[in-house]
Amino acid sequence: NAGVTQTPKFQVLKTGQSMTLQCAQDMNHNSMYWYRQDPGMGLRLIYYSASEGTTDKGEVPNGYNVSRLNKREFSLRLESAAPSQTSVYFCASKFLGTVNGEQYFGPGTRLTVT
Amino acid sequence: GQQLNQSPQSMFIQEGEDVSMNCTSSSIFNTWLWYKQEPGEGPVLLIALYKAGELTSNGRLTAQFGITRKDSFLNISASIPSDVGIYFCAAANSGNTPLVFGKGTRLSVIA
Repeated sequence: NAGVTQTPKFQVLKTGQSMTLQCAQDMNHNSMYWYRQDPGMGLRLIYYSASEGTTDKGEVPNGYNVSRLNKREFSLRLESAAPSQTSVYFCASKFLGTVNGEQYFGPGTRLTVT
Repeated sequence: GQQLNQSPQSMFIQEGEDVSMNCTSSSIFNTWLWYKQEPGEGPVLLIALYKAGELTSNGRLTAQFGITRKDSFLNISASIPSDVGIYFCAAANSGNTPLVFGKGTRLSVIA
């Protein structure tokens, strides 16, 4: 039981390049989330998927797209990376319908855009 | 949008000391949570609080859900070096609204 897994762990991109961050969970959770973490800014929600087939914007969605591929997988895509997207990206998941909170986080992807 | 004000931003304490940190909001929440993040890792849930006034412990950690539903605090007793990390408060309301996070308290423990 791996919990929430993210790939890759590290990535360096040049400005304008694209990439997809992958996230998968094996806990049969319904809801999945993408956050970015910047120094002094805490965790900011980019997009989330309350259940398979739905996605919604969070606090900082600009420059990103997401795909809920199936119940297990939720990917985050940067179409044209910018230096402002240098950050640590975390995926999280939880059961729908339980009390809010109790999200489980992956280990993160450290992205640098030069 | 909704914000959580977490304080202090950072703390340097001696091993064995007790630690207290808190989180406040201008909005009411139905759930308060505390997470810990160690270097290079994702946040891990420490304590979840679901009822105003609730006091919950997890080993040396104790957290309380404020009676006004606008605040929460976390205490760590007899700190040890492995308590080092960033502690985040988070809160949510009913339904499937996403969590709101504080900006974290960075704890350093001096042996």
